[in-house]
Amino acid sequence: AQSVAQPEDQVNVAEGNPLTVKCTYSVSGNPYLFWYVQYPNRGLQFLLKYITGDNLVKGSYGFEAEFNKSQTSFHLKKPSALVSDSALYFCAVRDVVLLTGGGNKLTFGTGTQLKVEL
Amino acid sequence: KAGVTQTPRYLIKTRGQQVTLSCSPISGHRSVSWYQQTPGQGLQFLFEYFSETQRNKGNFPGRFSGRQFSNSRSEMNVSTLELGDSALYLCASSFTPGPMNTEAFFGQGTRLTVV
Repeated sequence: AQSVAQPEDQVNVAEGNPLTVKCTYSVSGNPYLFWYVQYPNRGLQFLLKYITGDNLVKGSYGFEAEFNKSQTSFHLKKPSALVSDSALYFCAVRDVVLLTGGGNKLTFGTGTQLKVEL
Repeated sequence: KAGVTQTPRYLIKTRGQQVTLSCSPISGHRSVSWYQQTPGQGLQFLFEYFSETQRNKGNFPGRFSGRQFSNSRSEMNVSTLELGDSALYLCASSFTPGPMNTEAFFGQGTRLTVV
């Protein structure tokens, strides 16, 4: 079964500093990876995805993610954090087994709370 | 283009009652998935519908059910509510459930509180 791990419950960073939110995955076959962000009492907003191609994926709001196959990681990054980036971030992987049958199920990590302070 | 619309946004129900939640996907999207989010269990997949057919189902009891209409709108129903059903229920829509890079877009969720 596939899985996603987000090893940090919370990440604190000062505004203007670079941020990294970690994600590792376990899948059989090629991974289809996603990052979502959730603000309080809101749904999930899509940030970026990795399907194939360049290992550095650029997404919304200045975020990017680096896919590393050998380390089975897909870390989310941003060169300069903003206070408004403070939110809950989820890494997710699409179910590969179901994928071949046309499935769209996502398996999520437990989430990482990002706190950006002045 | 309107996003995913979930109604109602908030619900308070009593144990033993049943509840129906509604989701209207993005126009042109035909795949709808439902997730339950709780502090203890995180985000868990409930089920997925495409062309009015349930494609996948998560590990939830039979009290949780859903359906999809010909216009792709979807409803989920929870019968005989339990306190543990209190959660944020999220709906996600995708263009198709195909194998490629179709990301899912989420609604704002319905916050269900069971008392």
